[in-house]
Amino acid sequence: DADVTQTPRNRITKTGKRIMLECSQTKGHDRMYWYRQDPGLGLRLIYYSFDVKDINKGEISDGYSVSRQAQAKFSLSLESAIPNQTALYFCATSDFSDRTDTQYFGPGTRLTVL
Amino acid sequence: AQKVTQAQTEISVVEKEDVTLDCVYETRDTTYYLFWYKQPPSGELVFLIRRNSFDEQNEISGRYSWNFQKSTSSFNFTITASQVVDSAVYFCALSIYNQGGKLIFGQGTELSVKP
Repeated sequence: DADVTQTPRNRITKTGKRIMLECSQTKGHDRMYWYRQDPGLGLRLIYYSFDVKDINKGEISDGYSVSRQAQAKFSLSLESAIPNQTALYFCATSDFSDRTDTQYFGPGTRLTVL
Repeated sequence: AQKVTQAQTEISVVEKEDVTLDCVYETRDTTYYLFWYKQPPSGELVFLIRRNSFDEQNEISGRYSWNFQKSTSSFNFTITASQVVDSAVYFCALSIYNQGGKLIFGQGTELSVKP
């Protein structure tokens, strides 16, 4: 089984809808991250969490919110989706005890907002 | 501010050719980490290598090798005798020690290896 899973893997939604992307991990890592990937822009950080009570905004947090329900679960919400949020979304995890914070990524969620 | 630049947007080679993917980074911090990730057509991101700022030794892993040079702020990736399975988008990334492990990615280089 994969260490980092994301659901759904693909989602098509309409402008104005609320949508939640979920991430679960079995690696036992304490740190979790959400990124979005757009063509030609690489990946950009949306939110990150060091533990259940510690959530931080990343580079592009506007229009998004997150919830860290447990150490193993980190959800990303779009309260009112808009077309320019169409992108590939990745969840990642890392281990605080690994000082390099090497991040391991989930398989991605492809989101299309019509 | 930190930045990672991968100037090569797309590279196309024929199988068995050697190919080098360039990565240039910017940071004023003295302790940092550099990474390479591979994104095959299936879309997942696969961790390839990590190098810290105090270790300038080159690394070789099979057909892959990495050349880290602080003097030129570069961390280049070479694939020797490329194969079709190497076709992917490759990302170089930077993280700064004690800044929460946030990764700063380059734009990616799409490598196409033709048979």
